[in-house]
Amino acid sequence: NAGVTQTPKFQVLKTGQSMTLQCAQDMNHNSMYWYRQDPGMGLRLIYYSASEGTTDKGEVPNGYNVSRLNKREFSLRLESAAPSQTSVYFCASSESIAGGSDQPQHFGDGTRLSIL
Amino acid sequence: KNQVEQSPQSLIILEGKNCTLQCNYTVSPFSNLRWYKQDTGRGPVSLTIMTFSENTKSNGRYTATLDADTKQSSLHITASQLSDSASYICVVSAWQAGTALIFGKGTTLSVSS
Repeated sequence: NAGVTQTPKFQVLKTGQSMTLQCAQDMNHNSMYWYRQDPGMGLRLIYYSASEGTTDKGEVPNGYNVSRLNKREFSLRLESAAPSQTSVYFCASSESIAGGSDQPQHFGDGTRLSIL
Repeated sequence: KNQVEQSPQSLIILEGKNCTLQCNYTVSPFSNLRWYKQDTGRGPVSLTIMTFSENTKSNGRYTATLDADTKQSSLHITASQLSDSASYICVVSAWQAGTALIFGKGTTLSVSS
């Protein structure tokens, strides 16, 4: 059972390049999320999708776009990468939206992105 | 402002010893509190989720407590093992539209032999 799969695991980009991070879950979850994790900071929500067909901004959405391709897949796109976007990106999923429910989030193992 | 503060920032203990990690929060209205374990280079994994009415919850050698009146939680690890070396993240969920999860910065635990 793979759970949440993120690709790629590592990537180095030059400033101004674009890139799409891929995420897929096989748990039939309705809700999916993208976070970034920086040293000394807690996980910060970039975008989330409460259910297929919907997406909403999180705490730090600037410079990113997302697509909920279907129930399984949720991608994150950097249109013009900047050094400030160097981070570890985590995708997560949960059965229902995490705000008011007691359903756990399941995380992938992250994409380590460096922007030069 | 909704905040989650964890202490200590880091901790080193000997294998076999017990330890307790702390989490204080100022989140309203409170829905639930979660503890996650994050191994180096991996994503966080859920340990426990406690709602307002629960004050203790165990998962093997991990026991979480919640005092909703003082807005404090602790994670107690019994008979630590080398594999417990990880970052432990406290997350508080608020009752509101969307995904209102507030993440702490984590406590880094190192267990040495």
